[in-house]
Amino acid sequence: QQQVKQSPQSLIVQKGGISIINCAYENTAFDYFPWYQQFPGKGPALLIAIRPDVSEKKEGRFTISFNKSAKQFSLHIMDSQPGDSATYFCAASMNTGFQKLVFGTGTRLLVSP
Amino acid sequence: NAGVMQNPRHLVRRRGQEARLRCSPMKGHSHVYWYRQLPEEGLKFMVYLQKENIIDESGMPKERFSAEFPKEGPSILRIQQVVRGDSAAYFCASSPTSVETQYFGPGTRLLVL
Repeated sequence: QQQVKQSPQSLIVQKGGISIINCAYENTAFDYFPWYQQFPGKGPALLIAIRPDVSEKKEGRFTISFNKSAKQFSLHIMDSQPGDSATYFCAASMNTGFQKLVFGTGTRLLVSP
Repeated sequence: NAGVMQNPRHLVRRRGQEARLRCSPMKGHSHVYWYRQLPEEGLKFMVYLQKENIIDESGMPKERFSAEFPKEGPSILRIQQVVRGDSAAYFCASSPTSVETQYFGPGTRLLVL
């Protein structure tokens, strides 16, 4: 019940295309859903995050779509660029007094020039 | 404002030795988290500390692993009598409060021979 399932494991998108990464969860107590971007040899960096009171959040080319009833959320990267090539992790946490993040297994995105 | 610092960045140990991983949080951050990332997997929560206190260590193996965050100095993750299965990337994150965004360090890659 503490798992967050992420797909696909890897993704190749042409430059200018839309990258879509999906995550699903079981625990309805989760109330915070961030996405992290990780480049090789670096630590994860927060990209965008959403709470379940909204169905969509957009920041620049990055959009989170959230479906509370289906317990799913997804990351859309519009106009994907080679510089977006990285590993993306979805995560979730619940209000236990602190952010105990549960991470998905990651999606390795390659944007071809 | 310097980010989260971790050292060493790479650590090689032989089976049975001790590994000490250090994490200096961002300035003004008194909350520290440790995560472990096994190859091809997502990050797994290990422990959450505030200055001088361990708040949640539910993700820490019961034996050989310990963590501290003293009043002065960095947070330390200590692994005694390392085994090959301890080979992983260990990430530290810090936040200014218990519910705000976690900022990750670059990680320590531990290799046990």
